[in-house]
Amino acid sequence: QQPVQSPQAVILREGEDAVINCSSSKALYSVHWYRQKHGEAPVFLMILLKGGEQKGHEKISASFNEKKQQSSLYLTASQLSYSGTYFCGTAKAAGNKLTFGGGTRVLVKP
Amino acid sequence: ETGVTQTPRHLVMGMTNKKSLKCEQHLGHNAMYWYKQSAKKPLELMFVYSLEERVENNSVPSRFSPECPNSSHLFLHLHTLQPEDSALYLCASSQEALAGEHEQFFGPGTRLTVL
Repeated sequence: QQPVQSPQAVILREGEDAVINCSSSKALYSVHWYRQKHGEAPVFLMILLKGGEQKGHEKISASFNEKKQQSSLYLTASQLSYSGTYFCGTAKAAGNKLTFGGGTRVLVKP
Repeated sequence: ETGVTQTPRHLVMGMTNKKSLKCEQHLGHNAMYWYKQSAKKPLELMFVYSLEERVENNSVPSRFSPECPNSSHLFLHLHTLQPEDSALYLCASSQEALAGEHEQFFGPGTRLTVL
């Protein structure tokens, strides 16, 4: 069963913050985050493996709440280059395939 | 070439045609994947190969036939497709197959249109 992402879309002004959520109805082993710009391949951002783990990629960070079966991606002081569609992918166990959410479209305006 | 490459980038075919998509990874990975990305739908996993052996087949219609001759190359053979098969087909690779702790590297995709 695929994870649910929210919101589906967000529009930001440069410098503003945003949060993207990824929720699962099942317990998770790991959460992956990818960003895809229009006409390009999805690009890996980060993996969270343990409940409570937090990671960062430039000014993009993420957390993984194992109990809530949820991960959040934080876009801080957004830049124009942050525009794109963000996907979370979840795995229920170490040997499981990734199941991707529907994506969150982010548009950062000057 | 670096990363994951896919050819062709765009393909238009009729329902009676036979065509093939090609993917090559230059990362020394052991696993390769085919995904389908349709408008307003999540990425759908189609096939997974680990060291040339298929380890996952996600209930994909037989009109899609994968082939993995070695760990660096992956093909998707297409025949008698339907218009609803029009989508972006993405290839990816990772160090190990179906490993939740390994990132996947994606190719740029092939934009397929079935007339």
